Amino acid sequence: GAVVSQHPSRVICKSGTSVKIECRSLDFQATTMFWYRQFPKQSLMLMATSNEGSKATYEQGVEKDKFLINHASLTLSTLTVTSAHPEDSSFYICSASWGAHPGTEAFFGQGTRLTVV
Amino acid sequence: AQRVTQPEKLLSVFKGAPVELKCNYSYSGSPELFWYVQYSRQRLQLLLRHISRESIKGFTADLNKGETSFHLKKPFAQEEDSAMYYCRRRGSQGNLIFGKGTKLSVKP
Repeated sequence: GAVVSQHPSRVICKSGTSVKIECRSLDFQATTMFWYRQFPKQSLMLMATSNEGSKATYEQGVEKDKFLINHASLTLSTLTVTSAHPEDSSFYICSASWGAHPGTEAFFGQGTRLTVV
Repeated sequence: AQRVTQPEKLLSVFKGAPVELKCNYSYSGSPELFWYVQYSRQRLQLLLRHISRESIKGFTADLNKGETSFHLKKPFAQEEDSAMYYCRRRGSQGNLIFGKGTKLSVKP
């Protein structure tokens, strides 16, 4: 199956700094990428949907200025957590899809564990 | 609000026993429903979709519009089936909604 790679898998940062997480589709062109957040013992929460070359669409309640998403190419999307705070500590997962119905067939990255101290 | 409900956080069965992972959704026309699986230390992956009516690794799921359910079933559980299972739907606005997941533990 298709491979989606996230980097880094774990990151620890100081409060107030910014952290960038990369999501790459390794063997296919992803027209749409999705970013999720997962709290301990809870389900994945969709944060935003990004289409290559256009602005991301954020879910209600997700601060677009705090979680900056860039989808500059068909194989790379980045999520930048700006001015991180301890409450931003979470597991972030991306997925990538292609075709006429984005999201109906999606391949997931391995996730990034962010810890803000 | 459109919801996906997985009522069981943990389901424990013995090897060879039948297993049913429950998923209920809030009604919304013709939903698109999926099951995803996450094995220990591995990434989330698609298990099956209701529109394809397929059987993957012995698992099947039937969409029951009357009961608004999409339960995942397997007649004889194997130890390697132990994993987290997430039910997911595509909402009427195209948004994607996950259930909270059920941890399946298959004991020898």
